[in-house]
Amino acid sequence: EAQVTQNPRYLITVTGKKLTVTCSQNMNHEYMSWYRQDPGLGLRQIYYSMNVEVTDKGDVPEGYKVSRKEKRNFPLILESPSPNQTSLYFCASSLRTGGNNEQFFGPGTRLTVL
Amino acid sequence: EDQVTQSPEALRLQEGESSSLNCSYTVSGLRGLFWYRQDPGKGPEFLFTLYSAGEEKEKERLKATLTKKESFLHITAPKPEDSATYLCAVAGTASKLTFGTGTRLQVTL
Repeated sequence: EAQVTQNPRYLITVTGKKLTVTCSQNMNHEYMSWYRQDPGLGLRQIYYSMNVEVTDKGDVPEGYKVSRKEKRNFPLILESPSPNQTSLYFCASSLRTGGNNEQFFGPGTRLTVL
Repeated sequence: EDQVTQSPEALRLQEGESSSLNCSYTVSGLRGLFWYRQDPGKGPEFLFTLYSAGEEKEKERLKATLTKKESFLHITAPKPEDSATYLCAVAGTASKLTFGTGTRLQVTL
C-alpha cells in the first residue's frame, strides 16, 4: 500500500530533551516536506526537500533540523524542544518537485513539550 | 507572499442542504490550487487540483471551480459522512504549498 508513515504518533517530552520524528514514504517520491498544524494558524511548512541531500527552509524553520540521506526518509529533529513547539506535525511527499503535484500526508505526530 | 483565506470558518448543514465553501487566494504565478479533506486527528486527504481559471472538477457530491482570484468547493446534497475540515492550498513559483485555515463542515441528519 502506498503511504507515508510517521513515528511516533504521540510524544510527550520535556524542554531541552532532543527528539527525532521519523518519516518514510514508499512511493519513490522526490519531494518531501514537514508541516506543523496549530489551531487558527493552519498548516505551516517547516522544511522541505526536493531530493536527496537537498533541503530548504519553509515558513517556520526555527528550532528544527532535517536531513535527507535517503530518498524514502526525511526525519525531523528538535535539538532542544521548547513548549512553543507543542503541535501536530505532518510529513508529506509528492512525486516530483514543484508545487503542481498533489502531496500525500502522513497520519500525524502529536507532540507535547512540557 | 502567497496568501489563502477560507470562508466560512465553520458551516453547519442539514443532510441534503447544498452549499459552497470559498477559498480566496493571492499567489505569484499559480501552479496549482488544491483542495484537501481532513478528518479529526488524521492527515489531510487529497481531493482536487485545479490549474487554470475556468477549470472544474467533480467527485461524488463535491465540485471544485476556479477563477483568477478564488475557488469554490460546492457540496451537493451532503451526507453526514461529508463532515470534515476542508482545506484549500495554493502552489506558486516557490516549491511549497500555502494553506488556508480551513472550513469546518458539519452535516446533520
